[in-house]
Amino acid sequence: AQSVTQLDSQVPVFEEAPVELRCNYSSSVSVYLFWYVQYPNQGLQLLLKYLSGSTLVKGINGFEAEFNKSQTSFHLRKPSVHISDTAEYFCAVSGAGYSTLTFGKGTMLLVSP
Amino acid sequence: KAGVTQTPRYLIKTRGQQVTLSCSPISGHRSVSWYQQTPGQGLQFLFEYFSETQRNKGNFPGRFSGRQFSNSRSEMNVSTLELGDSALYLCASSLEQGGGDGYTFGSGTRLTVV
Repeated sequence: AQSVTQLDSQVPVFEEAPVELRCNYSSSVSVYLFWYVQYPNQGLQLLLKYLSGSTLVKGINGFEAEFNKSQTSFHLRKPSVHISDTAEYFCAVSGAGYSTLTFGKGTMLLVSP
Repeated sequence: KAGVTQTPRYLIKTRGQQVTLSCSPISGHRSVSWYQQTPGQGLQFLFEYFSETQRNKGNFPGRFSGRQFSNSRSEMNVSTLELGDSALYLCASSLEQGGGDGYTFGSGTRLTVV
């Protein structure tokens, strides 16, 4: 079985400040890890993914995440946020060879001027 | 390249009725998964289809069913609707079973049961 914990339900931040959204996972097998973003009344858009290789993964819109196997974490970071980054962010895990994504509860990123 | 298309976008149904939702995956994608999203439970996996066969099923009652056609398009059906079925239903497609390349999601169908 696998699970994902997103430690913060809401993260308020000012525009141009850095941000980190935290994600921890548990799984008994090797994993694939994902971050998705959801804007209001939209589906989910893939920001980035870790399948193997380099533990630092770069995604779209200036986001990056680091896979830390010893801490079972996959935190999402952006050095300078924009108002347009206001959205809900979901961390997800898939066990290698499995076919389902298990999602965290989501973190609402609120960027204010 | 067209994305994942879900129809209809919005739906209002009465308790006890049934409903069918449709999903057209990205051209060439053979795997289609369905998720239910609610404020209380978050995103929950319903089922995955690959090459017209259900490969995995989540923990939902038998009222929830689905199928996939030879062109990879998929439908899900919910019978005897309950108020608790009100949710955003999301469809996601990927090239291969397992979605290791990352799923692409549609915009969803918002179902309201009254």
